[in-house]
Amino acid sequence: SQTIHQWPATLVQPVGSPLSLECTVEGTSNPNLYWYRQAAGRGLQLLFYSVGIGQISSEVPQNLSASRPQDRQFILSSKKLLLSDSGFYLCAWSVKGAGYNQPQHFGDGTRLSIL
Amino acid sequence: AQSVAQPEDQVNVAEGNPLTVKCTYSVSGNPYLFWYVQYPNRGLQFLLKYITGDNLVKGSYGFEAEFNKSQTSFHLKKPSALVSDSALYFCAVRDRSGGSYIPTFGRGTSLIVHP
Repeated sequence: SQTIHQWPATLVQPVGSPLSLECTVEGTSNPNLYWYRQAAGRGLQLLFYSVGIGQISSEVPQNLSASRPQDRQFILSSKKLLLSDSGFYLCAWSVKGAGYNQPQHFGDGTRLSIL
Repeated sequence: AQSVAQPEDQVNVAEGNPLTVKCTYSVSGNPYLFWYVQYPNRGLQFLLKYITGDNLVKGSYGFEAEFNKSQTSFHLKKPSALVSDSALYFCAVRDRSGGSYIPTFGRGTSLIVHP
């Protein structure tokens, strides 16, 4: 069966520090991968998505970046965190093909607090 | 363009009573529709989806949803609510003819089931 792992589960970082959040998927190959941010336990904001290694699309201009160095690894990074980067970050994957009618499968998230 | 609306921020229901969480959508073609549930400090979990065929879709944990094309709705229902159903529920839509595989999520509805 497929699983998705995100770490760390919680993170407290000072303003201006760098960030690296990692997400890996097991049990499937060539998935679509996504990074979302959820503020105040409500709506999801799509940050980045990827259809393959090295292919990243950005939805929202900001000081965050994403990379996909391996087929099932997706990394969210920042060189200098802002207070507004606080939130709950969720990684997700979905199967390709089939008319894109497949659901997304989410990790358990990283709660990021910026001090 | 695709959009989805969850008109209620919060739904309160007594345990044992039927529950309904509302969702309406807008797409240029035909929709793929999804429901997800999120428990505190967890990722979203897929509940059910509508692709085509029978308008009544059954999913996990006794939930079902009814697709109504004329009303552009996909309301989530359960005949008898449990306290453990208390969570945040998200509806999502993807336009089948839109070419984008990125779904649009609603803002979420908080379901509170009272003992």
